[in-house]
Amino acid sequence: EAGVTQFPSHSVIEKGQTVTLRCDPISGHDNLYWYRRVMGKEIKFLLHFVKESKQDESGMPNNRFLAERTGGTYSTLKVQPAELEDSGVYFCASSQVGGNTQYFGPGTRLTVL
Amino acid sequence: GENVEQHPSTLSVQEGDSAVIKCTYSDSASNYFPWYKQELGKGPQLIIDIRSNVGEKKDQRIAVTLNKTAKHFSLHITETQPEDSAVYFCALITSGTYKYIFGTGTRLKVLA
Repeated sequence: EAGVTQFPSHSVIEKGQTVTLRCDPISGHDNLYWYRRVMGKEIKFLLHFVKESKQDESGMPNNRFLAERTGGTYSTLKVQPAELEDSGVYFCASSQVGGNTQYFGPGTRLTVL
Repeated sequence: GENVEQHPSTLSVQEGDSAVIKCTYSDSASNYFPWYKQELGKGPQLIIDIRSNVGEKKDQRIAVTLNKTAKHFSLHITETQPEDSAVYFCALITSGTYKYIFGTGTRLKVLA
């Protein structure tokens, strides 16, 4: 069974540009989460989808971040316009309905110059 | 909001020795406590977890203990091997949500 996949693995952009990250969860997992780790700090929750609906977006930093999960399958996280402080590793995770265990993807390392 | 303190931030041990990492939390309604291992270039991988109705769980060389009264939980790795070298994160689920709250991570180095 394929795990959680993320694309791209790395992205380097300039301040003010737009970047879109993609996450493909484990097949059949209705729950999808986005997290971010800024250099040396803890992994912080961004938001949680149940199928295509946003269940909890309390961790989204500001309105420059937009997450979508059309059709309840893969998800995208767009940052527009990117700022220097957006640099970090963005992780996606998925879990089954009613399951506590979250399975993480390899992450996307975003560098904003 | 809830936060999780994790110590130590770095830990070096000789191969064969034991390693212990501890996390403390404040929300007494937290009920699920997973531990993740992150190797270079990879995402966090679940290595062991424990629920609030259990005090200890063991899986081969890895064990987790939970003290609900003191609000702390610990990861114990015995007979450490070089391949145990990685960053370890504790986490918990806060009451009424599904989101993880993570500790800041511990970089474990096992010296051969």
